[in-house]
Amino acid sequence: GEDVEQSLFLSVREGDSSVINCTYTDSSSTYLYWYKQEPGAGLQLLTYIFSNMDMKQDQRLTVLLNKKDKHLSLRIADTQTGDSAIYFCAERVGKGYQKVTFGIGTKLQVIP
Amino acid sequence: DTGVSQNPRHKITKRGQNVTFRCDPISEHNRLYWYRQTLGQGPEFLTYFQNEAQLEKSRLLSDRFSAERPKGSFSTLEIQRTEQGDSAMYLCASSFAQPTNYGYTFGSGTRLTVV
Repeated sequence: GEDVEQSLFLSVREGDSSVINCTYTDSSSTYLYWYKQEPGAGLQLLTYIFSNMDMKQDQRLTVLLNKKDKHLSLRIADTQTGDSAIYFCAERVGKGYQKVTFGIGTKLQVIP
Repeated sequence: DTGVSQNPRHKITKRGQNVTFRCDPISEHNRLYWYRQTLGQGPEFLTYFQNEAQLEKSRLLSDRFSAERPKGSFSTLEIQRTEQGDSAMYLCASSFAQPTNYGYTFGSGTRLTVV
């Protein structure tokens, strides 16, 4: 079945690295995504990783995928106050249409 | 193209009234999705369209909910006889059908409050 789990809250100091973790249950996931949601706004796609990859780097963002443990993480280097937001992990599963299922979101608080 | 546009941004309605929301997707995208997000939760899938065809509906979408995409462009989501439990943010997203690695582009949502 589809189930995506994340911790609810993470607090870091400005300039430190943030690591947001996610676990998923469906081994047939094809793509995994990280979205960012700022207050009162919709979700913004940050990055994605294909299920046959184990790492993807995009500027300050590093995505690590451990397919054996069904564990996904997002590392944000040099975290800035503008990174404060809710971060959603999402997986695309199934054949044909491949529905996207979202986790509950991790609220990242960056302390100046 | 300015992205996915949703109207209205906010809607307050009395219980029992009908409401309709509109979504204008990115014009090149042939898929359109509706999600619902309640406070402290992630988005939950409601339904999706490929062009004008509604191809999947969630069990969350009761008979009081109906969505249309008449010409394969904009979409409307109507809720009849609203209940307090319908209070949520209704998010619309669009995407290409292929390649499937592309994530969704979301609108800013319509926040519904049923009083």
